[in-house]
Amino acid sequence: SYELTQPSSVSVSPGQTARITCSGDVLARKYARWFQQKPGQAPVLVIYKDSERPSGIPERISGSSSGTTVTLTISGAQVEDEADYYCYSAADNTEGVFGGGTKLTVL
Amino acid sequence: QVQLVQSGAEVKKPGASVKVSCKASGYTFTTYAIHWVRQAPGQSLEWMGWINAGNGNTKYSQKFQGRVTITRDTSASTAYLELSSLRSEDTAVYYCTTLAVTGDYWGQGSLVTVS
Repeated sequence: SYELTQPSSVSVSPGQTARITCSGDVLARKYARWFQQKPGQAPVLVIYKDSERPSGIPERISGSSSGTTVTLTISGAQVEDEADYYCYSAADNTEGVFGGGTKLTVL
Repeated sequence: QVQLVQSGAEVKKPGASVKVSCKASGYTFTTYAIHWVRQAPGQSLEWMGWINAGNGNTKYSQKFQGRVTITRDTSASTAYLELSSLRSEDTAVYYCTTLAVTGDYWGQGSLVTVS
């Protein structure tokens, strides 16, 4: 089976840049997506194909990729960005896998 | 607008089975695959499997192989997740989702409690 590894938590002050990493061998050959989840809500897609942003997602949220690591960057983080963030990739034979999730605190 | 509406909360005894439904509307049902993702209390998202809504082909996570069955009824635009031999660790919110970059839609979640 495949694994995606994320830090359990990241903390920044408002206006600072938050970076959340996701590592896994599968990322060298498969795209990653990022989901934002706020308490009691379903996840929301914020990045796909490593760095593409769906319509309606703020430009301060971006993604990048290098080798077996993808990074979600939130520039000028705001209080409303506080949430859990999950990376996801579809491994071989279309089996999906999520990372363990990162709690982003903005305070 | 696209909606995925799931069935309500369930309470099951250990060893029992549960079947959760996911009714799609606002699009042609066979356009998107339907994936099932679960989240135990305070835990991360966990991918369980998916079904090609057009031809009915399925793929399951190795973790749930043998215990999970995903089906669909195209006439009702509804997908189903059945999980058997339930144990306390299966207590979670179960989500259906299209998980598609061209259209990422999620159901509201169905809480399954095993106790």
